[in-house]
Order: sequence, then structure tokens, then C-alpha cells
Amino acid sequence: QKEVEQDPGPLSVPEGAIVSLNCTYSNSAFQYFMWYRQYSRKGPELLMYTYSSGNKEDGRFTAQVDKSSKYISLFIRDSQPSDSATYLCAMSTGTASKLTFGTGTRLQVTL
Amino acid sequence: EAGVAQSPRYKIIEKRQSVAFWCNPISGHATLYWYQQILGQGPKLLIQFQNNGVVDDSQLPKDRFSAERLKGVDSTLKIQPAKLEDSAVYLCASSLDQARGVVGELFFGEGSRLTVL
Repeated sequence: QKEVEQDPGPLSVPEGAIVSLNCTYSNSAFQYFMWYRQYSRKGPELLMYTYSSGNKEDGRFTAQVDKSSKYISLFIRDSQPSDSATYLCAMSTGTASKLTFGTGTRLQVTL
Repeated sequence: EAGVAQSPRYKIIEKRQSVAFWCNPISGHATLYWYQQILGQGPKLLIQFQNNGVVDDSQLPKDRFSAERLKGVDSTLKIQPAKLEDSAVYLCASSLDQARGVVGELFFGEGSRLTVL
């Protein structure tokens, strides 16, 4: 079993839709949870970061962490074609610990 | 502010040949990482440097991969000899000290895409 599981997609939605991206994990020591966005042929860039359980909102993006279920989510409201990318969840056990990435979910937002 | 620079962007070699990738991190970033991203997978950490020293190289295949960070700035990742399964994008990333930056905020370069035939 992988430490971090993520549905690879692809996920295709129409412009304006609400998108839900998810990851599950098995290591209960993970404390820090991140979402990275990776455009084609580019490096990943940090989108959202949360510590422990709870919600965090930034514009059209909301990150949720449910540590009891070992489940994290990223919601994108009013999705735009420019949101088309691969979304990678990442986690670490401590501030200086390495990141463990999911496989990424490829999202396509169509006009 | 200049981002993480990597070269070459693309490299095609035959198996058993050698290859080297170069990375220049963001100025002032003490921590440098090399990740391997195989098609359809998430990045996997190969090696992490803090200044000149190695913090984590537990997933580096040391029989064929080597990396060094010169004077705590630039870094080189070498593969010798290459195998077919080494075909991947090699991503370099850098970050501030955790005390000054956002936990988990790595700044990635565009990667070096390796094809081994």
C-alpha cells in the first residue's frame, strides 16, 4: 500500500463547475498537508498549505484536512480553463521532513 | 527574483551511458532537493542537501546515482550507467530554512527530461 493514494484522473469538468480533488494516506504521523499544481512540462508550484486538521480558504480554493479519516481534499470553485493542470497532494511529518507526494490528478476544465 | 534554473531541459541517451544534470537554486535558499518524477507518478525525493551537507539520500540508488552541491549553491546529479527505468523528469527544488519559510514550500525548476533508449 502506498503511503499516499490519489486518483490519477483525468477529471474533465465544464467551466464554472466546482471541482473536488482528494487524497488518502496511511501514515498517521503526517502533520503538514500541501497541494501543488503542475502545468504541463513545468515544475510543481505550491497552491495551498495546511497544518493538522481543519479548513483553509484562499480565493477560489479551499483545502480540507480530516486526520481522523486520513483524508484531504482540495475544492476549486468557479473553475476556469486556466485551472487545467495536474494537482499533487503532498504531506510531511515535520517541518524539516521530506515531502511525500501523491501521484497527481490531471484536471481538464473545458469551455 | 530568478527561479530555480536547471539544464539541460532534455537529454536522450542510450542505456549504460552516463548523464549529468545541473541545478542553480534560488539565491539564499539553503536547502536543495533532487526529485525524480516518472510519467504518471508524483515526484520522489532522491536527495536533500542543507547547505553542503546531505540530509536525506535514503532513496538515491547509490550504485548508479551521485549528487554533489558545490559551496552550498549549485548542484549536479549524475547517473552512471543509465538504465531504461531511469527515464523520467529530474526536478530540482530549493527552499528557505524552515524558520523563515512556509513549511513544505518548495520552489521547483522546470525539470530535466531524460529518455534512456
